[in-house]
Amino acid sequence: AQSVTQLDSQVPVFEEAPVELRCNYSSSVSVYLFWYVQYPNQGLQLLLKYLSGSTLVKGINGFEAEFNKSQTSFHLRKPSVHISDTAEYFCAVSWAGGYNKLIFGAGTRLAVHP
Amino acid sequence: KAGVTQTPRYLIKTRGQQVTLSCSPISGHRSVSWYQQTPGQGLQFLFEYFSETQRNKGNFPGRFSGRQFSNSRSEMNVSTLELGDSALYLCASSLDRANEKLFFGSGTQLSVL
Repeated sequence: AQSVTQLDSQVPVFEEAPVELRCNYSSSVSVYLFWYVQYPNQGLQLLLKYLSGSTLVKGINGFEAEFNKSQTSFHLRKPSVHISDTAEYFCAVSWAGGYNKLIFGAGTRLAVHP
Repeated sequence: KAGVTQTPRYLIKTRGQQVTLSCSPISGHRSVSWYQQTPGQGLQFLFEYFSETQRNKGNFPGRFSGRQFSNSRSEMNVSTLELGDSALYLCASSLDRANEKLFFGSGTQLSVL
């Protein structure tokens, strides 16, 4: 079975500072990894995904993530955050044969302060 | 191109009633998935429909059901509502079943009193 652990429930950070949101996964098969963002009263928006190939994945809004198979991690990073990045971030895993069934982590609330 | 449309946006029901939620996927998308989001359990997969057939199902009781029509629109139904069914129900569509990119709607907020 697959599972996802987001190590921080809340991350406060000042505007223009760098941020890392941590995600670890567990799976007995090869996985696909995703980061989604949810703004208040909205659905989820895909930030980036890792399916195969290069382990450094770049996404929208200046975010990037690195797939580390040995550490079973997929941490999300941004070198300089903005107030508008305040939102809930979800790490998710899927696998071949899982199709569109995503297993989500509990989420990390990123709060960017001026 | 219109996004994923979910109706209604808010819904209030009482215990024991049943409810039907609707989802219109992005034009051309053939796969529709449903997720339940609650503060306690987070985001949980309910089921996926593709070509009018349920292809995948999460660990929910039989009170939760769904269907997909020939135009890919989908509905989910919850019968005999319980207080614990209060949640944000999210629908997601994708072109196919290749799990490369899901597009989510804004959800239907269901409150069971």
